[in-house]
Amino acid sequence: DVKVTQSSRYLVKRTGEKVFLECVQDMDHENMFWYRQDPGLGLRLIYFSYDVKMKEKGDIPEGYSVSREKKERFSLILESASTNQTSMYLCASSLFTSGSDTGELFFGEGSRLTVL
Amino acid sequence: RKEVEQDPGPFNVPEGATVAFNCTYSNSASQSFFWYRQDCRKEPKLLMSVYSSGNEDGRFTAQLNRASQYISLLIRDSKLSDSATYLCVVVPFSGNTPLVFGKGTRLSVIA
Repeated sequence: DVKVTQSSRYLVKRTGEKVFLECVQDMDHENMFWYRQDPGLGLRLIYFSYDVKMKEKGDIPEGYSVSREKKERFSLILESASTNQTSMYLCASSLFTSGSDTGELFFGEGSRLTVL
Repeated sequence: RKEVEQDPGPFNVPEGATVAFNCTYSNSASQSFFWYRQDCRKEPKLLMSVYSSGNEDGRFTAQLNRASQYISLLIRDSKLSDSATYLCVVVPFSGNTPLVFGKGTRLSVIA
């Protein structure tokens, strides 16, 4: 069965702390994504990666960085957490496809981060 | 104009009702279209793809209108378990590009 696992379901951090959100997929997918979801704003893409050691900025990369050292793992890093980064963070993966046929996105259960 | 727009709802309908959601997209070159479903406090999951010819899966029917740049989702004979947020999703370009999500339409089916 397809599985995307996010390391922490709930985190509480203080302003200025460094935060790591880990995501692991067991489907050998090339593509991995980090989104945040906020009420009224929907899902917004932070960063994505199509290959190991490769990363691309999404729509809202400011304040975030990512790391993809292995195909199955995609980490989201908040260098200095701020209160406006309080949100639900969702990791997703998909199989690489070409042409107009984009693979289905499989999401993890989400990590709810609160920054005090 | 936003890339993908949906009526946020909520749509409150009685069991057994038929309900339809529309979604408009701004990029006429968009290639692929999907509906995802997100239950409360859960992650989104693929409900169905939307093909040019339209497609049906049980009580669910998806339609694409390229000329008017909208897609629709019709749910017949609504069940309580259909209560969720329905996300319209568009691939704006061909190739391996990120999906663009609408903000979702919330449906509540009431007994």
